[in-house]
Amino acid sequence: QLQLQESGPGLVKPSETLSLTCTVTGGSIGSSSYYWDWIRQTPGKGLDWIGGIYYTGSTYYNPSLRSRVTISIDTSKSQFSLNMGSVTAADTAVYYCARRLGEGASLGYWGRGTLVTVSS
Amino acid sequence: QSVLTQPPSVSGTPGQRVTISCSGSSSNIGSNFVYWYQQFPGTAPKILIYRNNQRPSGVPDRFSGSKSGTSGSLAISGLRSEDEAEYYCAAWDDSLSSVVFGGGTKLTVL
Repeated sequence: QLQLQESGPGLVKPSETLSLTCTVTGGSIGSSSYYWDWIRQTPGKGLDWIGGIYYTGSTYYNPSLRSRVTISIDTSKSQFSLNMGSVTAADTAVYYCARRLGEGASLGYWGRGTLVTVSS
Repeated sequence: QSVLTQPPSVSGTPGQRVTISCSGSSSNIGSNFVYWYQQFPGTAPKILIYRNNQRPSGVPDRFSGSKSGTSGSLAISGLRSEDEAEYYCAAWDDSLSSVVFGGGTKLTVL
């Protein structure tokens, strides 16, 4: 059974960089059929797609976050990562990693999510 | 402000049928599939409907999806108390090259 698990600091200071890693088990991160995405959800609010990466390293980003976000992949470790720079309190959210079938918005597997708080 | 528009809330009594609408544009729903997700408090969203009207295994046939033009719709028949959750629609947007979500609809079973 495919599983995804987010990891990283739960507290980040304003203006610093938020870094999270998603570890994939029970399946291949190198499959040609899937993208590996990051999604966030601010407390009490809706879902916000951050971006995604293909096993080759090609990426797609939400245009509103593109200037601050980098997503990378390490197929040898079955991990992909999110770096978001210059964070503010508005970036406080639950961050999810997910597997997306490369045909649209089919996010079939999700991690449990990790809360990241931006505060000094 | 979400790219896809959903009503903030809907409600119904047990056994009733409710529908949740999702309005988009030609660059997203109008040219791509609609997906629906169900989310309970404190848990990750779970895919409920894919490719407009397909149910993953394990999803009851009480849940159905449809699409017409630039709008999608989720119908839940035979409403149960355990259906009380937040529901999100989603689609790929060709102009943004992004996944876009609706703002979510809170379903209350009275």
